[in-house]
Amino acid sequence: DGGITQSPKYLFRKEGQNVTLSCEQNLNHDAMYWYRQDPGQGLRLIYYSQIVNDFQKGDIAEGYSVSREKKESFPLTVTSAQKNPTAFYLCASKSPDRGYFGELFFGEGSRLTVL
Amino acid sequence: SQKIEQNSEALNIQEGKTATLTCNYTNYSPAYLQWYRQDPGRGPVFLLLIRENEKEKRKERLKVTFDTTLKQSLFHITASQPADSATYLCALDTLRGAGNKLTFGGGTRVLVKP
Repeated sequence: DGGITQSPKYLFRKEGQNVTLSCEQNLNHDAMYWYRQDPGQGLRLIYYSQIVNDFQKGDIAEGYSVSREKKESFPLTVTSAQKNPTAFYLCASKSPDRGYFGELFFGEGSRLTVL
Repeated sequence: SQKIEQNSEALNIQEGKTATLTCNYTNYSPAYLQWYRQDPGRGPVFLLLIRENEKEKRKERLKVTFDTTLKQSLFHITASQPADSATYLCALDTLRGAGNKLTFGGGTRVLVKP
């Protein structure tokens, strides 16, 4: 089945450790996104990538890093510089079917807890 | 400053009634606006898209309006059912024509009571 796969679903980290969240898609989409969601709040954009080997900062990029070496993969690293990393992280890709107006397809999310 | 605002208070509604949610934005001129549904602990799911030159869009029991003068979109769920209980999010393209940056509002939780 086509879709977005995020792993791990749950992750615990000690303070001062970096952690990498995986996001893989087999939808052949060019654009991919990472959002962060805090309890009871909406989604905030961390990074996005429109094509391979290119990515842009979103609204809350500090303390995060990404890479886009393959079309299918867009991993997010939460570094020790991120002061409040406990959150629900969502990866998405954008359908090219309607070009500029394509909708986002989301994964099931990764919940990161810093101990 | 730029803002996308949705009513943060939960909307409690009786089954069969129409739920109306608002999405207001300031200092953007989006070419389109999208609505998503999110269930607890899950990723959002796309529902509807409306373009700036469209006044209204319908899909089954859902209706969306878009008023670029008021900078507002309304999202209606008619004949609401308990299965419609979820959080609904609006999203705008906040770099009009300059990229694929989609920014979300805070979402409104809807609870439909039988």
